[in-house]
Amino acid sequence: GQNIDQPTEMTATEGAIVQINCTYQTSGFNGLFWYQQHAGEAPTFLSYNVLDGLEEKGRFSSFLSRSKGYSYLLLKELQMKDSASYLCAVRDREGKTGANNLFFGTGTRLTVIP
Amino acid sequence: EAQVTQNPRYLITVTGKKLTVTCSQNMNHEYMSWYRQDPGLGLRQIYYSMNVEVTDKGDVPEGYKVSRKEKRNFPLILESPSPNQTSLYFCASSLRAHEQYFGPGTRLTVT
Repeated sequence: GQNIDQPTEMTATEGAIVQINCTYQTSGFNGLFWYQQHAGEAPTFLSYNVLDGLEEKGRFSSFLSRSKGYSYLLLKELQMKDSASYLCAVRDREGKTGANNLFFGTGTRLTVIP
Repeated sequence: EAQVTQNPRYLITVTGKKLTVTCSQNMNHEYMSWYRQDPGLGLRQIYYSMNVEVTDKGDVPEGYKVSRKEKRNFPLILESPSPNQTSLYFCASSLRAHEQYFGPGTRLTVT
């Protein structure tokens, strides 16, 4: 099975940097995704990592270490609109070729304060 | 405009009354999925489809059915809804197995 763990809530100050961690245990790892979800809305894609290392996209970066089962999402120059839930999701093949089993963590609710 | 649409957006029904939630995408995506989102449990995958006539169970398939007769449509069927299926449902589509585009969600209440 899959075990995805991320903090429930975090608070950070506008303009600062925040790091949201995600740890996972899975048998057929095939990629890790980060999504942003504002309250009452659908999740939107932020980043995708399948190889170790850092992927940077503007103010957002995501890091993956497959050997440690660990990822983080880094948000720089925080803005009030970044207040949202951030969902870590792991894709697991479970032995099925081309499968798209996606398992989500429960999400981290980030509150940005002035 | 590229989008995933779901209907209805809100539905209140009674136990045992069959219902269908429709999902349609206009991006010619191969992959489509259904999720439910519950407080404290996060998003859980119900079913997914890799292409027309190819579907498979996700994490929580019990009580649900799906079909994929056309590439653009992926309806979710609840043959006999029960109160524990009260939830927020999201449909999503993606090209191959990459980033998923989510629909706006369907809030279902079963009394």
